[in-house]
Amino acid sequence: ETGVTQSPTHLIKTRGQQVTLRCSSQSGHNTVSWYQQALGQGPQFIFQYYREEENGRGNFPPRFSGLQFPNYSSELNVNALELDDSALYLCASSLGLAGVGRPTDTQYFGPGTRLTVL
Amino acid sequence: AQSVTQPDIHITVSEGASLELRCNYSYGATPYLFWYVQSPGQGLQLLLKYFSGDTLVQGIKGFEAEFKRSQSSFNLRKPSVHWSDAAEYFCAVRPNSYDKVIFGPGTSLSVIP
Repeated sequence: ETGVTQSPTHLIKTRGQQVTLRCSSQSGHNTVSWYQQALGQGPQFIFQYYREEENGRGNFPPRFSGLQFPNYSSELNVNALELDDSALYLCASSLGLAGVGRPTDTQYFGPGTRLTVL
Repeated sequence: AQSVTQPDIHITVSEGASLELRCNYSYGATPYLFWYVQSPGQGLQLLLKYFSGDTLVQGIKGFEAEFKRSQSSFNLRKPSVHWSDAAEYFCAVRPNSYDKVIFGPGTSLSVIP
């Protein structure tokens, strides 16, 4: 059983550019959540995808968007990058039901992608 | 506003000493509660979780946590700390079964040999 993987590990972009981060879910998991973790802070929920549809979103602007594919892997896209977007981006997968995650679902986190915006 | 607080930004303990990391939350009802650990360069690993039932929860790596409704707290404990426990610890809550997970700001643990 493979765990959650994320690519790339590190990324450097400049303001105004666009970036795509990728996540492969743990085998058998159909739900993916993305979090932003700024330096020295706890992770902040961006959004969640269940069976290819967004089913929950945190307080992030529309320039943060995502996709989930039929194999349940996922992408996080960020347009018009700003300096404050510099952070560790974490992906977590879990097994959810009917559009929402069961409370007993354990989220398994990937190692993250470190994004630096200059 | 809904929030999770971890009053201690940084804690240093000697190896073999006991440990308690504090977590408080502000929600109307009993949420679902979690503790995660994050080592440098690693993702988050779930230590333990509480949904209902016995208020003392056992987790991995010898950790336990106690839910106290009257104090809105979910403190993490370990009787004897090992050097490998040095890491960042996050308390997290899920207000109900249909809501996002909200993380606290974290407590950084250093262990002195």
